[in-house]
Amino acid sequence: AQSVSQHNHHVILSEAASLELGCNYSYGGTVNLFWYVQYPGQHLQLLLKYFSGDPLVKGIKGFEAEFIKSKFSFNLRKPSVQWSDTAEYFCAVNPGGGADGLTFGKGTHLIIQP
Amino acid sequence: KAGVTQTPRYLIKTRGQQVTLSCSPISGHRSVSWYQQTPGQGLQFLFEYFSETQRNKGNFPGRFSGRQFSNSRSEMNVSTLELGDSALYLCASSEGPHTDTQYFGPGTRLTVL
Repeated sequence: AQSVSQHNHHVILSEAASLELGCNYSYGGTVNLFWYVQYPGQHLQLLLKYFSGDPLVKGIKGFEAEFIKSKFSFNLRKPSVQWSDTAEYFCAVNPGGGADGLTFGKGTHLIIQP
Repeated sequence: KAGVTQTPRYLIKTRGQQVTLSCSPISGHRSVSWYQQTPGQGLQFLFEYFSETQRNKGNFPGRFSGRQFSNSRSEMNVSTLELGDSALYLCASSEGPHTDTQYFGPGTRLTVL
């Protein structure tokens, strides 16, 4: 079965700092990749997704992620974070054509200090 | 379009009881998936329904079951509740089956006493 690893469970940054959250997955075949965000008191929202094509994908609120197949990685980046980016971030994988639902990482709790 | 809705939002039950949770997908979406979220295990896939058929199921005991109706609304049922079933239960809908983008509802917070 596939698994997803998010290396940083808690990240604290100051406003305007750059952000990179790591995500690695274990699955040898074609995958669909997602980043979801859960703001305090709100439900999971889709940040961005990768199905195929350009490995650099752009999402909402200035986030982007790069799929590196050789490294089985799908890291999330943002050049300059804001206080409103404080949230829990989840990386998720779904094998293309697979049948096991989304496999989520444990999440990264991001705190942005003003 | 309205988002995914889940009812009830909060539920308190005692051990041994059973519970039914409801999910209404986004209009036009035919696939509904259920997930359990706990602090220890994170988000785990329970099962997925498409066109009233369960297409796949995660690694959960048979006490967890579900169904989907012809209007794509879905229910999940947990029988003989255990303390460890306390969790946030999330429903997600998508246009098609499992490879499509899933949109999540706010969840039902179940507390088992």
